Amino acid sequence: GQQLNQSPQSMFIQEGEDVSMNCTSSSIFNTWLWYKQEPGEGPVLLIALYKAGELTSNGRLTAQFGITRKDSFLNISASIPSDVGIYFCAGQQHNYGQNFVFGPGTRLSVLP
Amino acid sequence: NAGVTQTPKFQVLKTGQSMTLQCAQDMNHNSMYWYRQDPGMGLRLIYYSASEGTTDKGEVPNGYNVSRLNKREFSLRLESAAPSQTSVYFCASSPDLSSYEQYFGPGTRLTVT
Repeated sequence: GQQLNQSPQSMFIQEGEDVSMNCTSSSIFNTWLWYKQEPGEGPVLLIALYKAGELTSNGRLTAQFGITRKDSFLNISASIPSDVGIYFCAGQQHNYGQNFVFGPGTRLSVLP
Repeated sequence: NAGVTQTPKFQVLKTGQSMTLQCAQDMNHNSMYWYRQDPGMGLRLIYYSASEGTTDKGEVPNGYNVSRLNKREFSLRLESAAPSQTSVYFCASSPDLSSYEQYFGPGTRLTVT
């Protein structure tokens, strides 16, 4: 099946630093989503992107839909301890909710 | 609103045993989903239900059955558990299939020995 790659797999940063992570695929997607999962919880949707080149922000989070439609990027500015978690990207090729493909996640640790 | 609830939170089974994972949502959503999450892999869709009375296979349905009991509840059954089914199982719901936002439950961690 379809696969998404996320990099880095994990990262340790100092509180206050900015964070960048990305998600790539060999296939074109029509929608990109970014989720955050905290320990013991289910994923929570952070940002949804619907067209190539789109740049969307949600507080300190900014995500972009790559112009090739094969990638997406998530940036977190001025990280804080509660940013700790696993960040998943998900891509959708068709306009139905059951066709999402999820990446393996980037595990973020924030050191005080 | 509790959102999406799942029971149990943890379960250990022996190979060959059966069990049912329960999921309920109180958001009046039409569509519900079951995923499994394995280390180093993304979520994979097991089954989904577009609306009450319908169910369809996802990417990895083998070894599982589902029941959409009513609009609120969607259960996942393992008839004869295998070690390969050791995973964390998430239930999710969305207003309908065309909605991009899915709301996830807290998960059930299942170990099959």
